[in-house]
Amino acid sequence: EPEVTQTPSHQVTQMGQEVILRCVPISNHLYFYWYRQILGQKVEFLVSFYNNEISEKSEIFDDQFSVERPDGSNFTLKIRSTKLEDSAMYFCASTGQGDYNSPLHFGNGTRLTVT
Amino acid sequence: AQSVTQLGSHVSVSEGALVLLRCNYSSSVPPYLFWYVQYPNQGLQLLLKYTSAATLVKGINGFEAEFKKSETSFHLTKPSAHMSDAAEYFCAVKGAGNMLTFGGGTRLMVKP
Repeated sequence: EPEVTQTPSHQVTQMGQEVILRCVPISNHLYFYWYRQILGQKVEFLVSFYNNEISEKSEIFDDQFSVERPDGSNFTLKIRSTKLEDSAMYFCASTGQGDYNSPLHFGNGTRLTVT
Repeated sequence: AQSVTQLGSHVSVSEGALVLLRCNYSSSVPPYLFWYVQYPNQGLQLLLKYTSAATLVKGINGFEAEFKKSETSFHLTKPSAHMSDAAEYFCAVKGAGNMLTFGGGTRLMVKP
């Protein structure tokens, strides 16, 4: 079964550094998402992306965050200047259709640790 | 706006016992509801979804959930727990907009 793949599985970075988290969505999917889960807290929506532009974003997704689909397969999340509170598990997801009953398919996540 | 509340951050059952994980939602529009499972060091895997076709929904691994509009609930059940069911379970709602809102998760522990 096709999978969403995320790299790296773990990323350690120093405060103030830029990080790029990478995702390869399922190949025929059109809608892409980033979620994050701070340790011990809820899974939170960050951003959704369709047709090469952001379709929705949460309050968490401020100017320090950006997303890009640089080619036909990758979907990246960039954090420009990481803060300690950015430490979390980041999940990428994709779905083939935008209708409400389409489930999201998630990757295994990237654990980001900011020191 | 929508929200999800999962009662009980930890649930412990004996192997072979009934599993009941509770989920209550609020949504300003008719909701679509999902249960996801997360095994250690893995991503979120879809267990089942409610899309208004039937109120009792069957999912993978013997799990099922019943949508009760009057109670705004979507509780997850399994008649007989197996050791391999130990994981974290997330209820999620998709309402207005195309994003999922998750509950806080329930960690299921299965005792031998």
